[in-house]
Amino acid sequence: AQTVTQSQPEMSVQEAETVTLSCTYDTSESDYYLFWYKQPPSRQMILVIRQEAYKQQNATENRFSVNFQKAAKSFSLKISDSQLGDAAMYFCAYRSVNGANSKLTFGKGITLSVRP
Amino acid sequence: DSGVTQTPKHLITATGQRVTLRCSPRSGDLSVYWYQQSLDQGLQFLIQYYNGEERAKGNILERFSAQQFPDLHSELNLSSLELGDSALYFCASSITGTGGDEQYFGPGTRLTVT
Repeated sequence: AQTVTQSQPEMSVQEAETVTLSCTYDTSESDYYLFWYKQPPSRQMILVIRQEAYKQQNATENRFSVNFQKAAKSFSLKISDSQLGDAAMYFCAYRSVNGANSKLTFGKGITLSVRP
Repeated sequence: DSGVTQTPKHLITATGQRVTLRCSPRSGDLSVYWYQQSLDQGLQFLIQYYNGEERAKGNILERFSAQQFPDLHSELNLSSLELGDSALYFCASSITGTGGDEQYFGPGTRLTVT
């Protein structure tokens, strides 16, 4: 079974600075998807960024980018130029490419606070 | 707005009772997933339906059941409720329910069992 680990329960960043959120995972599959979801106080789950394991290039979405290290099974999220609206809980998630197993497996999440 | 709707937004009920949570997927999506978010268990997958048929099962208790109707909306039934069932229940939908599809989350139903 796949597992996702987020070992840091909380992090804090100064507005306009850069912060990196860590995630490791375990799987025996060679192809899969990895995600970062944001959950603000409204509790809505918002997809931040997605990485396909067979792509070596790290995904980027505006101020958000990932550092995907497949051999190390590491998938960190970098938020540049942090904004107050980035304050939220962030979840790392794994999904198999296998069509019969498309559930998302989540880490415990990390609470990010942004200091003005 | 993801296009996935869930009702009700909030539900408060007593132990031993039964409740039904409802989910309408995005237009065109055939697959529905249910997830539970609790303080103890975090976010975990419960069950998936595709075009009316159960496709995958996760950590769903026997007291819980779900179904997907011909119009593709889904209901999650929780019975003999316990305090520990208090959680945020999310529904997500995707087009074909396979690994390559994006899952779009609804706003969730917050269940409080007293």
